[in-house]
Amino acid sequence: DTAVSQTPKYLVTQMGNDKSIKCEQNLGHDTMYWYKQDSKKFLKIMFSYNNKELIINETVPNRFSPKSPDKAHLNLHINSLELGDSAVYFCASSQTPDRAYNEQFFGPGTRLTVL
Amino acid sequence: DAKTTQPTSMDCAEGRAANLPCNHSTISGNEYVYWYRQIHSQGPQYIIHGLKNNETNEMASLIITEDRKSSTLILPHATLRDTAVYYCIVRGPNAGGTSYGKLTFGQGTILTVHP
Repeated sequence: DTAVSQTPKYLVTQMGNDKSIKCEQNLGHDTMYWYKQDSKKFLKIMFSYNNKELIINETVPNRFSPKSPDKAHLNLHINSLELGDSAVYFCASSQTPDRAYNEQFFGPGTRLTVL
Repeated sequence: DAKTTQPTSMDCAEGRAANLPCNHSTISGNEYVYWYRQIHSQGPQYIIHGLKNNETNEMASLIITEDRKSSTLILPHATLRDTAVYYCIVRGPNAGGTSYGKLTFGQGTILTVHP
């Protein structure tokens, strides 16, 4: 059974379009995250939700809007896509955001290519 | 969170132990050492974590020096499937606000296991 799943796996789109990436976890975790891995392979956190509430919002353009309809889902909507948004986006979840112990489970990633 | 320093790359022969070092000389007393790895085209995977004592699980062993300023991840019998980027991350208890639950990934060590 897949623990953290993302759809789609690949997404190719034109500049200026709006697109969404979906994430679901079946681990019963309270906390979910979005990370971005750029072409240089640096992995950086973007957002985190705990029990559907936003708890981490890094310096991310307003064009990126996460939405958590319930604890098991965290979607990422991106407006007016730009070339620099091309990256691999990873969803993750953890039982708790408590920094003392926080094993995060990552999804397989969504490779976004903006043309 | 304390900054970590890892070698850019390492090689290991299949079947031999892989010892991956990590320096975290500015670590605080309440900060944990985490190890994750990322196999090509996959999401990061949790390996192990520790605070002061050495730790072992089915994947690896973590040796933390007495002064906690460095640690070593040991893969006892490396296989070709262990070829990946290995990340050493230091995280402390919740400082509240925007750091809640965040994992900060560095460049990591590219481990290549040879036949």
